[in-house]
Amino acid sequence: GAGVSQSPRYKVAKRGQDVALRCDPISGHVSLFWYQQALGQGPEFLTYFQNEAQLDKSGLPSDRFFAERPEGSVSTLKIQRTQQEDSAVYLCASSFRGGSNTGELFFGEGSRLTVL
Amino acid sequence: GENVEQHPSTLSVQEGDSAVIKCTYSDSASNYFPWYKQELGKRPQLIIDIRSNVGEKKDQRIAVTLNKTAKHFSLHITETQPEDSAVYFCASNQAGTALIFGKGTTLSVSS
Repeated sequence: GAGVSQSPRYKVAKRGQDVALRCDPISGHVSLFWYQQALGQGPEFLTYFQNEAQLDKSGLPSDRFFAERPEGSVSTLKIQRTQQEDSAVYLCASSFRGGSNTGELFFGEGSRLTVL
Repeated sequence: GENVEQHPSTLSVQEGDSAVIKCTYSDSASNYFPWYKQELGKRPQLIIDIRSNVGEKKDQRIAVTLNKTAKHFSLHITETQPEDSAVYFCASNQAGTALIFGKGTTLSVSS
């Protein structure tokens, strides 16, 4: 596609439910990033993939958060047993470059998660 | 890890005035410093970036300056227009790591 695509755009979950958020990066982009953006805040880093390898997951807030990118393209961010503090916009971004020079990030529109 | 501080959190200017947003970073190994603009309800988009081998970069009405010794960098917007109203984020990283963002500055340009 022309840009980074995320789905669903909006998700309402009851506390305790599991959710899965999908990201389709720009074709051929090596690096993929997940960020969490709370209302009125900057994007907070969650995790980073280069192709299928998860190089950094230090930003994942707890073991309820899990991300994968099994074929080096589409990525899924899974949140188990959602809590109210998980409510945020989850942004996915991709970059053509990998390795030592990440370059410009292209962001998706985000998935807005509301946990009731 | 890297920590990025950004200020001010809000900035109001009159159309035609200049606006300056400042950021500091903590990791002396950081070498890439982009600025993103996020309009309400939209995705962040890159507007300008600078690498550590230069001290200043300009693109029409926007410019970024970098002081590696002091570990700070700034965004300058001249001749502001209402369409410049948005949230601006600075970020930094070093080779092979993820971008770390500041908390953002909400710029309001009134006509």
